[in-house]
Amino acid sequence: AQKITQTQPGMFVQEKEAVTLDCTYDTSDQSYGLFWYKQPSSGEMIFLIYQGSYDEQNATEGRYSLNFQKARKSANLVISASQLGDSAMYFCAMREKGGGFKTIFGAGTRLFVKA
Amino acid sequence: DTEVTQTPKHLVMGMTNKKSLKCEQHMGHRAMYWYKQKAKKPPELMFVYSYEKLSINESVPSRFSPECPNSSLLNLHLHALQPEDSALYLCASSQVGPSNYGYTFGSGTRLTVV
Repeated sequence: AQKITQTQPGMFVQEKEAVTLDCTYDTSDQSYGLFWYKQPSSGEMIFLIYQGSYDEQNATEGRYSLNFQKARKSANLVISASQLGDSAMYFCAMREKGGGFKTIFGAGTRLFVKA
Repeated sequence: DTEVTQTPKHLVMGMTNKKSLKCEQHMGHRAMYWYKQKAKKPPELMFVYSYEKLSINESVPSRFSPECPNSSLLNLHLHALQPEDSALYLCASSQVGPSNYGYTFGSGTRLTVV
């Protein structure tokens, strides 16, 4: 069964610094996708970045990058040059090719950016 | 148009009421989803529709009844809910295909059952 683990309930970062949010996963499927979503206090989930299990290069989207270590089954999110607006809940998620359209989410990490 | 619109944004209902949540998207996505999210918890999948057909039902109680009348609309009909059903209900959509498509979520409906 697929599983996502986020071990950091809360993280603090100084504005303009970089921060890494941890995510490990477990799956028996060879083909899967890993995602990060941001959820501000308003409630809407915002898709940030995607990494495929067969992608050899780490995904990047603007200030977001995904540190993908397949052998360790980790998919950490790196946010560079943190901004106050980055304060939010961040969820790591996974979808297996064999799982149809089912995406499961980790418990989330609350990020606080300090001025 | 890159939005998923959910209405209403807030809903308070009694345990004997019947109400419906509505979700609309015009991005041409053919997969649509309902998630339930309790406070400080991750979203939990309830239902998945693919090409307007129900493809996944995560053993959701029958007091929740989904409906997909067309490729742009997704409804969630509520009847005889319990206070523990109070939560944020999120609708999402995505393209159908390989697993690399991220979801586009709506802003959710905050449901309170009294």
